[in-house]
Amino acid sequence: AQSVTQPDIHITVSEGASLELRCNYSYGATPYLFWYVQSPGQGLQLLLKYFSGDTLVQGIKGFEAEFKRSQSSFNLRKPSVHWSDAAEYFCAVGPMKASYDKVIFGPGTSLSVIP
Amino acid sequence: NAGVTQTPKFRVLKTGQSMTLLCAQDMNHEYMYWYRQDPGMGLRLIHYSVGEGTTAKGEVPDGYNVSRLKKQNFLLGLESAAPSQTSVYFCASSYSATGLQETQYFGPGTRLLVL
Repeated sequence: AQSVTQPDIHITVSEGASLELRCNYSYGATPYLFWYVQSPGQGLQLLLKYFSGDTLVQGIKGFEAEFKRSQSSFNLRKPSVHWSDAAEYFCAVGPMKASYDKVIFGPGTSLSVIP
Repeated sequence: NAGVTQTPKFRVLKTGQSMTLLCAQDMNHEYMYWYRQDPGMGLRLIHYSVGEGTTAKGEVPDGYNVSRLKKQNFLLGLESAAPSQTSVYFCASSYSATGLQETQYFGPGTRLLVL
C-alpha cells in the first residue's frame, strides 16, 4: 500500500540551529515528492518538490531536501532556523503522470523554535 | 489576484444542521479540490473537480456533496452535519492534470465545529 510517514510528530529547535525533518514513503514506483509548510491559521504553501534529476532540491525560504531512493526518504533540511519557521510541515507523494487527486499527504511534523 | 479564498473562516453547527462552504479561485484553474485536515492525519481528499460541471469522489466523500457550476467556484455541502465532521477544511486548485509539475494552491481554510 502507498503511504507516507513522518516519524517525528513534534520537534523543538533553538533559533540558529540546523533542522532536519524526516519523511519516508512506500510507493510502487519512483514518485513525485513534495514538502509543504503550513503557518498557523494559513493554508499549505509549497516549499519544494522533486520530480527527477538532481536528488538535492532547493526550495524557498532556505530549505532543501534530498531524495534517497535506497532509503525511500525525502528529508527536509535547513542550516539555520529562524523563529518564523515555526509551523507544521507536510511531506507528500504522488505518482508520475498523475494529478493531485492521487497525492498522499503525511501526518505532518510540528516545529517549534526557541528564541 | 486573491488566489484561493474560502468562506466562511469559522463556523459552529449543531448536529443535523446543513451548511455550504464556498471556495473561489481567480487563477483560471481547471482543477479544484476539497480536503479535510485532522490532527495526526495530514490532508485527506474529500471531492475534486476536473472542470466546470464535473465532480469526483476522493478518499473520504461520505457525508459531503459538491458542485462546480462555475469554473471559479467549488462548493462543499454538508446536508446533515455530524460531530465526526468537525475538522479544518481546505480548498485547493491547480491549472491542469498534466501535472504534478503544476503547483497546487491552497486556501486559508475553514474551521468547522459540529456540536
